[in-house]
Amino acid sequence: AQSVTQLGSHVSVSEGALVLLRCNYSSSVPPYLFWYVQYPNQGLQLLLKYTSAATLVKGINGFEAEFKKSETSFHLTKPSAHMSDAAEYFCAVSGPGGGADGLTFGKGTHLIIQP
Amino acid sequence: DSGVTQTPKHLITATGQRVTLRCSPRSGDLSVYWYQQSLDQGLQFLIQYYNGEERAKGNILERFSAQQFPDLHSELNLSSLELGDSALYFCASSVAPKQETQYFGPGTRLLVL
Repeated sequence: AQSVTQLGSHVSVSEGALVLLRCNYSSSVPPYLFWYVQYPNQGLQLLLKYTSAATLVKGINGFEAEFKKSETSFHLTKPSAHMSDAAEYFCAVSGPGGGADGLTFGKGTHLIIQP
Repeated sequence: DSGVTQTPKHLITATGQRVTLRCSPRSGDLSVYWYQQSLDQGLQFLIQYYNGEERAKGNILERFSAQQFPDLHSELNLSSLELGDSALYFCASSVAPKQETQYFGPGTRLLVL
């Protein structure tokens, strides 16, 4: 069975500082990995996805993530945080092999931006 | 705007009742997924349909059911509602059932009193 662990339910950074949100996955087959963002009272918006092409994936709003198979990690980073980045971030995994096609989500990380 | 629409946005009902949530996928998407987001369980996959047929089941209760119609819209039926069913219910759609990006709707917030 697949699983996703997001380290830190809350992360606080200063505006302009580096954002690092951690995600580790467990999967018996090479996974497809996703980061979604959820703003208050809204649905989930895809930030970026890894589907076995380049290990460094660039997404929207200046975010990027690096797939590291040896560490089973897919951490999300952004060089300089903006106030508008404050939101809930979810890491998710979907296997290209058999099994359910629904995404398995982590518990989410609430990103707080300090002025 | 993802192109996925969900109605209603909010729903308040009583325990024991039955409700129907509706989802229209993005134009061209054949696969529809339902998810439940609650404070204690987080985001959980419930069920998936592809071109009218059930394709995969997740943590869906027996009191819940879904279907996808010929025009590809989908409905999630929740019956014998309990307080614990209060949650945000999301619909997502994708072109194909595997490997493709899922686009999420704005959700239906259900409150069971």
